[in-house]
Amino acid sequence: DAGVIQSPRHEVTEMGQEVTLRCKPISGHNSLFWYRQTMMRGLELLIYFNNNVPIDDSGMPEDRFSAKMPNASFSTLKIQPSEPRDSAVYFCASNTGLQTDTQYFGPGTRLTVL
Amino acid sequence: GESVGLHLPTLSVQEGDNSIINCAYSNSASDYFIWYKQESGKGPQFIIDIRSNMDKRQGQRVTVLLNKTVKHLSLQIAATQPGDSAVYFCAERQGAQKLVFGQGTRLTINP
Repeated sequence: DAGVIQSPRHEVTEMGQEVTLRCKPISGHNSLFWYRQTMMRGLELLIYFNNNVPIDDSGMPEDRFSAKMPNASFSTLKIQPSEPRDSAVYFCASNTGLQTDTQYFGPGTRLTVL
Repeated sequence: GESVGLHLPTLSVQEGDNSIINCAYSNSASDYFIWYKQESGKGPQFIIDIRSNMDKRQGQRVTVLLNKTVKHLSLQIAATQPGDSAVYFCAERQGAQKLVFGQGTRLTINP
């Protein structure tokens, strides 16, 4: 059974470029989460969706970041324009949406902005 | 703001010994806590959870203890094995689905 799928696994880009990270949640899961992990700030929730609707985006750092979930099997996190301080590992996670259900994490996308 | 944190950033133990990883939380209203394990190059993996109406929960070789009086959470790993080497995070649920993670403790196993 496939887990959460993220692409690309690694992304290197130059400052000012647009970056799009992709996530496919586990089939049947209704909630999807985007996290960012850095050494300085640890693992932070950026935004989460329930039934494709954004519920809490208070963790999105600024307007350069945007996330969409056009359907139950796909989500994107976009950074435009990217900056070196956006370099981090970005994780996507999903669960059934029940409060007691654990979140299942994908392998992450390591983003480096030069 | 309220946060979840860890007492020790690193822990080194001998193979076969028991490991104890600690976590302090500050939100007394939190009702659900989770421990995750993260191996190098991978996403966090669920280990065990506990609700606030419990003091202890056991899994396979792992035990989580919750002390609400001092707002302290611990993860005990019995008979530590090389495969237990990882970074361990505690997380606190705030609201319906939002998890707030601690900074993590790196566990290394000495042969």
